[in-house]
Amino acid sequence: GAVVSQHPSWVICKSGTSVKIECRSLDFQATTMFWYRQFPKQSLMLMATSNEGSKATYEQGVEKDKFLINHASLTLSTLTVTSAHPEDSSFYICSARSQTGSYGYTFGSGTRLTVV
Amino acid sequence: GENVEQHPSTLSVQEGDSAVIKCTYSDSASNYFPWYKQELGKRPQLIIDIRSNVGEKKDQRIAVTLNKTAKHFSLHITETQPEDSAVYFCAASSTGNQFYFGTGTSLTVIP
Repeated sequence: GAVVSQHPSWVICKSGTSVKIECRSLDFQATTMFWYRQFPKQSLMLMATSNEGSKATYEQGVEKDKFLINHASLTLSTLTVTSAHPEDSSFYICSARSQTGSYGYTFGSGTRLTVV
Repeated sequence: GENVEQHPSTLSVQEGDSAVIKCTYSDSASNYFPWYKQELGKRPQLIIDIRSNVGEKKDQRIAVTLNKTAKHFSLHITETQPEDSAVYFCAASSTGNQFYFGTGTSLTVIP
């Protein structure tokens, strides 16, 4: 089945630094990937839609200059949290849908970001 | 945009009993409704889904019902087992791309 790999699984960084999270579709091509944020005991909130070869589409209230998304190939999307602050600490998770087969998403394993 | 509400936020049942989780949605254009199970610190896993041209779908102990007129859909788990304990999310989509998730239900199955 469709597999989405996400790295790193856990990262701790200092305030003011930037962190890059990678999301790869391993056995299928994904023209569109999605980035979600999940606070503890809360739901998944869609942050942005990543489109291969074009600019990402951000949800209302998400700072595009802070959360940089790059989708340079059909199998890789990256989310860079720039100038991270403690309030950016969260669980970030990507997802993608295979072009064939089930309509449903395949999620990456998630990245737990802790900003200290 | 779409607004998905989910109830209850927490649910405890005795092993062997049934569990029901309900969701409502606002966008009448939504036509695909998946349910995900998420264990602590892990990725959500699709457990069942239903499309708007179907009123009910069943897969072993799990079933989903959809009422398009009322814009609500429900997850039913029968003969619950301790390994069913997790957080369950409903979602709605009109495009098959952007999914809007409910707020989640933390299910605890008591042995």
